[in-house]
Amino acid sequence: EAGVTQSPTHLIKTRGQQVTLRCSPISGHTSVYWYQQALGLGLQFLLWYDEGEERNRGNFPPRFSGRQFPNYSSELNVNALELEDSALYLCASSFSRGGYTFGSGTRLTVV
Amino acid sequence: AQSVSQHNHHVILSEAASLELGCNYSYGGTVNLFWYVQYPGQHLQLLLKYFSGDPLVKGIKGFEAEFIKSKFSFNLRKPSVQWSDTAEYFCAVHGNNRLAFGKGNQVVVIP
Repeated sequence: EAGVTQSPTHLIKTRGQQVTLRCSPISGHTSVYWYQQALGLGLQFLLWYDEGEERNRGNFPPRFSGRQFPNYSSELNVNALELEDSALYLCASSFSRGGYTFGSGTRLTVV
Repeated sequence: AQSVSQHNHHVILSEAASLELGCNYSYGGTVNLFWYVQYPGQHLQLLLKYFSGDPLVKGIKGFEAEFIKSKFSFNLRKPSVQWSDTAEYFCAVHGNNRLAFGKGNQVVVIP
């Protein structure tokens, strides 16, 4: 069984640019979760998508957004990048209460 | 929203020593509890989980955790660690439609 796949694995952007990160969940999982893992801050919940709808959102500004497609894959968009957006962005998928399977993440560096 | 506290962010111990990592959470509703592990260069993996029933939960690689409801705690233990247990350990609490993580414990086991 293929795991959660994320692309790209690494990305370097400059301040003010926009970025799109992609995630494919495990087959059969309808929920996709996005987390930001910044140095020293642990994992911060960003967004939860289920059945194509945004179900919950963490304490992040509106320039963090995303969507889920009919095949349950998901995109995370970050507009107007700031230096502090540099982090590992993790995607997870789930079929049950908190039984998340994580991808390897996208390492975003903003310069 | 729930919050998770992990103490002793950096732990260094010798092989065969016992390990205990503390986790306390704050949330008034029903929770599901998890410990995840992130080995160097690898993605997050589920170590063990508690949904209900026996509050002493056994996970992979000899780890166990005890849920003490009155103390809002879910501490992780391993009687005898190995060098391969060097990793970052995250406690997580699922409630209110989100999985909240603690800031993690960086554990280094010296051969």
